[in-house]
Amino acid sequence: AIQMTQSPSSLSASVGDRVTITCRASQGIGDELGWYQHKPGKAPRLLIYATSTLQSGVPLRFSGSGSGTDFTLTISSLQPEDVATYYCLQDYNYPQTFGQGTKVEI
Amino acid sequence: EVQLVQSGAEVKKPGESLRISCQGSGYTFTKYWIVWVRQKAGKGLEWMGVMYPGDSDIRITPSFQGQVTISADKSINTAYLQWSSLKASDTALYYCARRHEDGAGGLDVWGQGTTVIVSS
Repeated sequence: AIQMTQSPSSLSASVGDRVTITCRASQGIGDELGWYQHKPGKAPRLLIYATSTLQSGVPLRFSGSGSGTDFTLTISSLQPEDVATYYCLQDYNYPQTFGQGTKVEI
Repeated sequence: EVQLVQSGAEVKKPGESLRISCQGSGYTFTKYWIVWVRQKAGKGLEWMGVMYPGDSDIRITPSFQGQVTISADKSINTAYLQWSSLKASDTALYYCARRHEDGAGGLDVWGQGTTVIVSS
């Protein structure tokens, strides 16, 4: 199975800061990567698919980039409602695999 | 409205069997894979397995093979995750999510989650 290594495991930033989370795949996955936001007590939410395509309804401050093995989720201006854990998930093949998660705090 | 609605929380004893469900509505059930995801308390998301209701194709990640059964009844737009003999280590929150048949678009709709507690 493809391993997804996500970093950092947690971060603390201020409102308005630019936040970057990275995900590295153990082998090339093209652009087949998604990012998810998970808040306690709620279902995970798809933010970005195919590396950089914003899911409908997701604020424009979220963006994704990368290809092959290295991917990035960027929050351009952190907002209080962005406090959550973020996961990458490779869509390249089965079994799909999540990164370990990044907890974002303010 | 497109949605996945999961069955309610369960409290079971070790060794008991259990089946939880995930019912889709508002879309063509047989055109989307249903993925099952586990989250243990304080831990990350784990991808367990997936089923395509259109042809019953099932893929289960190796660490869950033999531990769970995935199935679906497309006549009632419902997918199932089943255990024949629960262990305390199965205590977790379980989510279902859908994925388009061609894999595009990520896991775009999620169920609300089903809490399973296994305790003697």
